[in-house]
Amino acid sequence: AQSVTQLGSHVSVSEGALVLLRCNYSSSVPPYLFWYVQYPNQGLQLLLKYTTGATLVKGINGFEAEFKKSETSFHLTKPSAHMSDAAEYFCAVRMDQAGTALIFGKGTTLSVSS
Amino acid sequence: DAGVIQSPRHEVTEMGQEVTLRCKPISGHNSLFWYRQTMMRGLELLIYFNNNVPIDDSGMPEDRFSAKMPNASFSTLKIQPSEPRDSAVYFCASSSLGASGANVLTFGAGSRLTVL
Repeated sequence: AQSVTQLGSHVSVSEGALVLLRCNYSSSVPPYLFWYVQYPNQGLQLLLKYTTGATLVKGINGFEAEFKKSETSFHLTKPSAHMSDAAEYFCAVRMDQAGTALIFGKGTTLSVSS
Repeated sequence: DAGVIQSPRHEVTEMGQEVTLRCKPISGHNSLFWYRQTMMRGLELLIYFNNNVPIDDSGMPEDRFSAKMPNASFSTLKIQPSEPRDSAVYFCASSSLGASGANVLTFGAGSRLTVL
């Protein structure tokens, strides 16, 4: 069965600092991987996704993630944090070969201080 | 496009009462998902439909939970009878499987359920 582990339930950074949110996955099929962001009292929004091809994927708001098959990882980064980046971030993997449903990690809350 | 619309946004009820959560997916999307979010368990997939047909309901906690999708524009998640441990935020999401095979889910704003 597919699974996602997000290391660190809470990450704190200063404004302008590098953001690194960690995600490791387990998948019995070629993984399709996603990062979603959730702002307070809202639903989840897609940040970026990896399916095939280029392993470095760029998303919205300056975020990017790199698929590393050998490490079964899909870490999310942003060079310079902004106050508006404070939110909860979820990594997800497709549930099966059909790719319909997603399995989510437990999330990482990002705090940004000035 | 109005996005995925869920109602009610907030529901407070007493143990034993029936709860019905509603979802209107994005027009043209052919897959619909119900997820539950709690602090302890994170986001759990409860059930999903393809073309109005339930495909996988293995995440439904127990027989007290049921979900229906009578047509392409409407789905319900019902809990009867409700219990305090059902308190959570319930999300509906819809999608249209893309050409790449990557399914991008669009989420509603959620229904926050509190069972007293």
